[in-house]
Amino acid sequence: GAVVSQHPSRVICKSGTSVKIECRSLDFQATTMFWYRQFPKQSLMLMATSNEGSKATYEQGVEKDKFLINHASLTLSTLTVTSAHPEDSSFYICSAGHLAPPYNEQFFGPGTRLTVL
Amino acid sequence: QKEVEQNSGPLSVPEGAIASLNCTYSDRGSQSFFWYRQYSGKSPELIMSIYSNGDKEDGRFTAQLNKASQYVSLLIRDSQPSDSATYLCAVKVQAGTALIFGKGTTLSVSS
Repeated sequence: GAVVSQHPSRVICKSGTSVKIECRSLDFQATTMFWYRQFPKQSLMLMATSNEGSKATYEQGVEKDKFLINHASLTLSTLTVTSAHPEDSSFYICSAGHLAPPYNEQFFGPGTRLTVL
Repeated sequence: QKEVEQNSGPLSVPEGAIASLNCTYSDRGSQSFFWYRQYSGKSPELIMSIYSNGDKEDGRFTAQLNKASQYVSLLIRDSQPSDSATYLCAVKVQAGTALIFGKGTTLSVSS
C-alpha cells in the first residue's frame, strides 16, 4: 500500500516562532500533495494543493505568506508555519496523490499536532 | 459551491449489527468517491473507493454508489466495537484535485 509519513508528529513552540512540517511519500511518487488542517471535533479543511516544481495553490482564506509550502521533489513537501500564534494550534495533515492507477486515491500522513504557547 | 453532506450522528448500533452510513454530494460531475475512517486523534484511513454505479464489497464493508441520485453509502456488516470511529465521505471531481470531505458521521458500536 501507499505510505505517507510526516515529521514531526507533535510539536510545541512559542508564539512568534516558525515551525516546519515535512510530508514524504515513502513508496510512490506524488506529483500532487495536499495540506489539511483539522480543529477538534471538526472536519478536515483543505489549506493548499502542492504540485512538484511549481507554486502551491492556496484555498480562500489561507494566508500564503504565513503557511509556506515547498514541494521540492516527487516525494517531499514541506509546510512552514511562520510566526506561529496560539490560534494556529491545530492538527495538520498532509496527503499525497498516487501517480499510478487508481489515480484518484489520496493517502494521508499520520498528522502533526501543533501547539503554540 | 461543491458540497458533501453527511449526518453527523452519532449512529449507535449493537455489536454484530449492520451499520449504514449515507452521503450526498452536490457536484454531478464528480468522478470518484471514497470512505475514510478516522479514529480520535488520528489521521484518516482509506477504507473504500468506488468509481461506478452499483455496489463494491471488501470484507465486511460494502460501498454503494448511485450517481443519478448523487448518493453514496457505506454498509458495515457484523459491526465490531473497533469500528467505532468517525467515517468521512469524500468526493473527487477530477484526478489531481483535492478531495472534498463531508463533516463525518460518528459511529458507536456497543458490545
